[in-house]
Amino acid sequence: AQSVTQPDIHITVSEGASLELRCNYSYGATPYLFWYVQSPGQGLQLLLKYFSGDTLVQGIKGFEAEFKRSQSSFNLRKPSVHWSDAAEYFCGLETGTASKLTFGTGTRLQVTL
Amino acid sequence: DVKVTQSSRYLVKRTGEKVFLECVQDMDHENMFWYRQDPGLGLRLIYFSYDVKMKEKGDIPEGYSVSREKKERFSLILESASTNQTSMYLCASSVRGEAFFGQGTRLTVV
Repeated sequence: AQSVTQPDIHITVSEGASLELRCNYSYGATPYLFWYVQSPGQGLQLLLKYFSGDTLVQGIKGFEAEFKRSQSSFNLRKPSVHWSDAAEYFCGLETGTASKLTFGTGTRLQVTL
Repeated sequence: DVKVTQSSRYLVKRTGEKVFLECVQDMDHENMFWYRQDPGLGLRLIYFSYDVKMKEKGDIPEGYSVSREKKERFSLILESASTNQTSMYLCASSVRGEAFFGQGTRLTVV
């Protein structure tokens, strides 16, 4: 069965510092992978997605993610974090002909000024 | 803009009641989902549907059922609400994996 693991429950970074949020997946074939962000009191918004092709994908708000098949990972990065990036981040995986979409447990990002 | 609308933002129900959570999307998406979101547990998939009248169990279907009689509408049913079903419920529709979420229904079962 497919699964998504986000090993970090909570991360704190200083504004202006770089960020990397980890995501590992388990699936027997090439997955479709996503990162979503949920700001406090808001709904979930898609940051970026990977279907195929270039393993480094660019998203909104200056985020990028790299798909590494050998490590079953899809880590999210941002070179310089802004205070407004404080939110919860979810890694997602779509599988199967029925397009089952499952998520990790999320990583809460806190940004200190 | 894609719109996914959940019928209620907040709901309080009594233990044992039958509860209906409604979700409507306006983009003709094939796929629709129901999740519950709990602190520390992330988004857990309850049920999903890839076509009218088609449904598949997600990871935590126990105590829930769903109905999809029309393409735009996907309903989550709590047959007999229990206090451990107090949670935030999120509906989503998707195309090519890009999911669009409703604002959520915060359900409290007392």
